[in-house]
Amino acid sequence: DAGITQSPRHKVTETGTPVTLRCHQTENHRYMYWYRQDPGHGLRLIHYSYGVKDTDKGEVSDGYSVSRSKTEDFLLTLESATSSQTSVYFCAISESGANSGNTIYFGEGSWLTVV
Amino acid sequence: AQSVTQLDSHVSVSEGTPVLLRCNYSSSYSPSLFWYVQHPNKGLQLLLKYTSAATLVKGINGFEAEFKKSETSFHLTKPSAHMSDAAEYFCVVWNTGFQKLVFGTGTRLLVSP
Repeated sequence: DAGITQSPRHKVTETGTPVTLRCHQTENHRYMYWYRQDPGHGLRLIHYSYGVKDTDKGEVSDGYSVSRSKTEDFLLTLESATSSQTSVYFCAISESGANSGNTIYFGEGSWLTVV
Repeated sequence: AQSVTQLDSHVSVSEGTPVLLRCNYSSSYSPSLFWYVQHPNKGLQLLLKYTSAATLVKGINGFEAEFKKSETSFHLTKPSAHMSDAAEYFCVVWNTGFQKLVFGTGTRLLVSP
């Protein structure tokens, strides 16, 4: 299994509070991704990173920001959590883009509930 | 833009019988296609991937998928289901324009004794 650690794994927070999810990898892969999983939607990309300090938006980026100051860490921040951000969040990593045939590996997920 | 459609939200089989999970794709280019499996409260595990090499792709745990360009399909099959195969399965395509994986909505496989 790829060395991906997500923290926290479970969190309950109140509406309006900031929340940061951390993804840590030990594979030295260049690409890192944050997805959210919701019933009926599969997984949708929030943000991704293609190198240290290089990030870009995905299809559901509103209300989220990310940072990558080191190769191994990719942080997802909800500046002011809302109930619509209750979801399961998955971090993923890839040595390069998947269109080159490389595999994208997923972490175990972080369950976030906003009350 | 690339996309995938999983034709069944749920599939029920008996242990020992064949499994067929259907996926159609839409792509202007030769796509990179994947099947991932997710067991309850777990992350996603890659079953297999197609990247324009052999059209019949063999994966882990006895699963395989066949890329059929004429039918724009990438169905997942297994000759004999096992109880441990009960999970959710995602067909996925790589979107070259936006550098991201695009997921289908998933098929839940139920395996009865």
